[in-house]
Amino acid sequence: DIVMTQSPDSLAVSLGERATINCKSSQSVLYSSNNKNYLAWYQQKPGQPPKLVIRWASTRESGVPDRFSGSGSGTDFTLTISSLQAEDVAVYYCQQYYSTPFTFGPGTKVDIK
Amino acid sequence: QVQLQQSGPGLVKPSQTLSVICAISGDSVSTNLAAWNWIRQSPSRGLEWLGRTFYRSKWNNEYAESVKGRIAIDPDTSKNQFSLQLNSVTPEDTAVYYCARDYQQVFDSWGQGTLVTVSS
Repeated sequence: DIVMTQSPDSLAVSLGERATINCKSSQSVLYSSNNKNYLAWYQQKPGQPPKLVIRWASTRESGVPDRFSGSGSGTDFTLTISSLQAEDVAVYYCQQYYSTPFTFGPGTKVDIK
Repeated sequence: QVQLQQSGPGLVKPSQTLSVICAISGDSVSTNLAAWNWIRQSPSRGLEWLGRTFYRSKWNNEYAESVKGRIAIDPDTSKNQFSLQLNSVTPEDTAVYYCARDYQQVFDSWGQGTLVTVSS
């Protein structure tokens, strides 16, 4: 199984400041035949299911604000919120879909400082 | 727009069978473009993918090793829904259970979640 790790466990950022979350996979999730990283990011607010934010490591879902961006390749990935807003308070998870079993990171809690 | 509506009991006794149903609107369980998954979430295990069913000329299932032998995910084409059955449950199976569609293997639509508590 591909093990996903995230850092930090939690962070508090001032409104309007940048939040950066890291995700690492235990093996590469880059599929060489199409040069795509099989890595997604989800946002989960209390009492709600996770919501897909980014797929293919860097492709934002429709309707997701452009302050959210994803980067990275292979085994190391980053989710950046460029200017934190109050509505971004949530737990963020990375997930690999390179192979089954699909696996998630443990989550990073983002709060307002 | 795909919507997934879950239903099922919130309390199950140890050694019994957990059953949750996910009704689909806005898509078909028989589509050959997506798969239909069950994922659970607990404080101790985080988000854990349990398995999926999908149709590609025939019905297929994939299950996580952690629950293989105890799990069944079945489509119901007449009602456009799919179900989760988990046998021989223990308190460690207490979790919020989600159904989710995977389209190109990302989970783009989720059910609202069902808290299932295993307790006598």
